[in-house]
Amino acid sequence: GAVVSQHPSRVICKSGTSVKIECRSLDFQATTMFWYRQFPKQSLMLMATSNEGSKATYEQGVEKDKFLINHASLTLSTLTVTSAHPEDSSFYICSARDERRSWSSPLHFGNGTRLTVT
Amino acid sequence: GENVEQHPSTLSVQEGDSAVIKCTYSDSASNYFPWYKQELGKGPQLIIDIRSNVGEKKDQRIAVTLNKTAKHFSLHITETQPEDSAVYFCAAGGDMRFGAGTRLTVKP
Repeated sequence: GAVVSQHPSRVICKSGTSVKIECRSLDFQATTMFWYRQFPKQSLMLMATSNEGSKATYEQGVEKDKFLINHASLTLSTLTVTSAHPEDSSFYICSARDERRSWSSPLHFGNGTRLTVT
Repeated sequence: GENVEQHPSTLSVQEGDSAVIKCTYSDSASNYFPWYKQELGKGPQLIIDIRSNVGEKKDQRIAVTLNKTAKHFSLHITETQPEDSAVYFCAAGGDMRFGAGTRLTVKP
């Protein structure tokens, strides 16, 4: 089945530094990937839609200069949290849809990245 | 856009009992409805999904029912086991909007 790999699984960084999270579709191509943020005991909040070869589409309230998304190939999207602050600490999850199937096919999720900003 | 509501937020059952989680959605154009299971510290895993051309789908102890007229769909887990304990999310819409989640606890 379709596999999405997310790296790193955990990262601790100091306030003011930047952190890059990678999301790869391992056995399928994805022109679109999704980035979510999840707070403890809460649902997944869609942050942005990553589009291969073009700019990401951000949800309302998500700072595009804060959360930089790059989707340079059909199998890789990256999320960079710039100038991180403690309030950016969260669980970040990416997902992708196997587009060889119809558009109404399931999203496959990475295992998430636990970001802690000290 | 799509709006998905999920109930209950928490559900505790005895091992062997059934569990039912319900979701409603707002966009009548939605035609794909997955359910995900999320264990602590992991990403959501698809457990079952249904498309709008059918009213029910079953996979062993898990089933999903869909009522397009009423715009709601439900997850049914029978003969629950402690390993079913997790958070369950429904989703709908082309961009996969998620419900708030249900924390299921199965007591041995």
